[in-house]
Amino acid sequence: AQKITQTQPGMFVQEKEAVTLDCTYDTSDPSYGLFWYKQPSSGEMIFLIYQGSYDQQNATEGRYSLNFQKARKSANLVISASQLGDSAMYFCAMREGDFGNEKLTFGTGTRLTIIP
Amino acid sequence: EAGVVQSPRYKIIEKKQPVAFWCNPISGHNTLYWYLQNLGQGPELLIRYENEEAVDDSQLPKDRFSAERLKGVDSTLKIQPAELGDSAVYLCASSLGTDRDRAFFGQGTRLTVV
Repeated sequence: AQKITQTQPGMFVQEKEAVTLDCTYDTSDPSYGLFWYKQPSSGEMIFLIYQGSYDQQNATEGRYSLNFQKARKSANLVISASQLGDSAMYFCAMREGDFGNEKLTFGTGTRLTIIP
Repeated sequence: EAGVVQSPRYKIIEKKQPVAFWCNPISGHNTLYWYLQNLGQGPELLIRYENEEAVDDSQLPKDRFSAERLKGVDSTLKIQPAELGDSAVYLCASSLGTDRDRAFFGQGTRLTVV
């Protein structure tokens, strides 16, 4: 079974609109972390936001927020007021395992294109 | 603070030749990862180090791939001999290894095997 599933290979969104990128995960560990990374055409993986499995509130970082629904095992990324510079690949990732033995697994990504 | 540094950025080699990639993680980061990223795909873990110990190399094709992390700092990933299917981007990342700490990535090495 896939650990991280991103079902949207590509999305086109009008500039200034909000966009939601889907991510579901699969783990039996009670403690885990969920990450979103942005990868522009330059290739560098840029950290966006983190959500811990025990966090009570959804994580927010500027225009990024994570819609964490633990029972559904989903961790969708919401980008508000999208900008042209948001065009990139977006990867959801999960860290699981005990301290010193963690695994960081990535999904297949969503290519987001912002239309002017 | 300097980020994760990888070299070279690009490498083109003929099949059956050896190739090596180098990674300098962020100072103080105990955990170092090597990932393979094929075009249009997410990164896939090749090997993870905790200090100088390779704690997860289950996805490393050991017949042709090898890695080392001497003194728990810099790391080298080697392929010998390279095959056409090895063409990909090789990403290095490092982290402090705590539960909340994110992994910082280098810009990657794009390998083309011809």
